[in-house]
Amino acid sequence: SQQGEEDPQALSIQEGENATMNCSYKTSINNLQWYRQNSGRGLVHLILIRSNEREKHSGRLRVTLDTSKKSSSLLITASRAADTASYFCATGVALRNAGGTSYGKLTFGQGTILTVHP
Amino acid sequence: SAVISQKPSRDICQRGTSLTIQCQVDSQVTMMFWYRQQPGQSLTLIATANQGSEATYESGFVIDKFPISRPNLTFSTLTVSNMSPEDSSIYLCSVERGFYGYTFGSGTRLTVV
Repeated sequence: SQQGEEDPQALSIQEGENATMNCSYKTSINNLQWYRQNSGRGLVHLILIRSNEREKHSGRLRVTLDTSKKSSSLLITASRAADTASYFCATGVALRNAGGTSYGKLTFGQGTILTVHP
Repeated sequence: SAVISQKPSRDICQRGTSLTIQCQVDSQVTMMFWYRQQPGQSLTLIATANQGSEATYESGFVIDKFPISRPNLTFSTLTVSNMSPEDSSIYLCSVERGFYGYTFGSGTRLTVV
């Protein structure tokens, strides 16, 4: 089952405005990641925030993480038409397989469809 | 950062047939991951593939339906067997890059008719 719940499901804004997307999750995590997907293509990694971090910035992106509320937000400032895409949060949990190899398992939220109008 | 070449990019298949999807990574990786994205939905993990051992499948996915091969540290295949229209989805492979998250293949858009 999906761990992450995102809202809004769809967001429509004008170029230059800020876009905020929220993500909530249910269990303990090692990190939370945000991805962008254009028109059903492969996903592009945007940013990763560790469970002991509260805020990270990358260019026009700002991510916050509140582990006490099990929630995260992605802010895109000064949006552009090229930012139009689906945005997914994904929680990362460290696991170990039967052979002893450690790896991270991602669980994705439902996604937010962002439309930026020129 | 790892680059993944995924083939085919799309296919239209008859029900009852099988399709094998390939992912080639430009560097050696321990684990590879296969996801399914049903129309208008999010990604669901199908299985993790470790070289030299049997893949680990998530709840709801079985080896007979989605056999996976991992013959070496740069290559993996996912087969969608005995397809039905419900298998119409985008299938994606990915590899972990630690702090930099995951790199995904460009996806295979499968339509079963």
